[in-house]
Amino acid sequence: DAGVTQSPTHLIKTRGQQVTLRCSPKSGHDTVSWYQQALGQGPQFIFQYYEEEERQRGNFPDRFSGHQFPNYSSELNVNALLLGDSALYLCASSLGGASGSGQFFGPGTRLTVL
Amino acid sequence: GNSVTQMEGPVTLSEEAFLTINCTYTATGYPSLFWYVQYPGEGLQLLLKATKADDKGSNKGFEATYRKETTSFHLEKGSVQVSDSAVYFCALIIIQGAQKLVFGQGTRLTINP
Repeated sequence: DAGVTQSPTHLIKTRGQQVTLRCSPKSGHDTVSWYQQALGQGPQFIFQYYEEEERQRGNFPDRFSGHQFPNYSSELNVNALLLGDSALYLCASSLGGASGSGQFFGPGTRLTVL
Repeated sequence: GNSVTQMEGPVTLSEEAFLTINCTYTATGYPSLFWYVQYPGEGLQLLLKATKADDKGSNKGFEATYRKETTSFHLEKGSVQVSDSAVYFCALIIIQGAQKLVFGQGTRLTINP
C-alpha cells in the first residue's frame, strides 16, 4: 500500500521563477493538504483540496496556487519565487475531508530559491 | 485563534531516561490533538492522537493525555532509546471548523548512548 508520494525530492530555482510540486495521496484518500515548513519551524498550512476544489486556505499570497485532479493527486504552484519561499513543502492526505483521524504526510520537496 | 506552544528545545537525554515534552494549546472549538515525529531528512509521521478530553493516545512506548482543564497534551516516554532522536511536533485540528493542522514549533530531541 503506497503512502503519500511527492516529486521532485529537491529543487533549486532562482528568484522570479515559477515552480510546480506534485503529490499523490495515500491509497483510498481523497483530500490533499499542503504545508510549508521553513527551517527550524513547524509546518504552516497553505491550502487543502477536496473534490477538486480548494476548500480552505491559510495565510499565503495568491502566488501560491494549486489544483487537484480527478485521481485525487494534486499540484502546488508558486509564481514569482522569493528567497523566503525556500522551505520544505509537505503534502498530506486524509479521507473524506475530515481530518480528525490525522493526516498522513509525504517525505516533502525541498525547494531552494537562489 | 488556534495555536500550539511546545517547550523550548533542544532536549538532550541519556538512553533509558524519562522523557517529557510539554505542549499546551489554545483553541476556539473542540480540537483533536496529535503528536507527529520527524526523523532527519524525512517527512512527518503521526505518532499518536487523542480526539476528546481525557483520552490517552499511545504508540511505540510514547503516551499523551488530552487534558482539557489545563489545555495540555504532554508527550511522555518512560525509557528513551537512541532511535527516538528526532524532532517532535504537537498539533491540533478543529473538526467543526477549518480542516487544517496547526503545529507547534517543534522540539528537537537527542538521545545519547
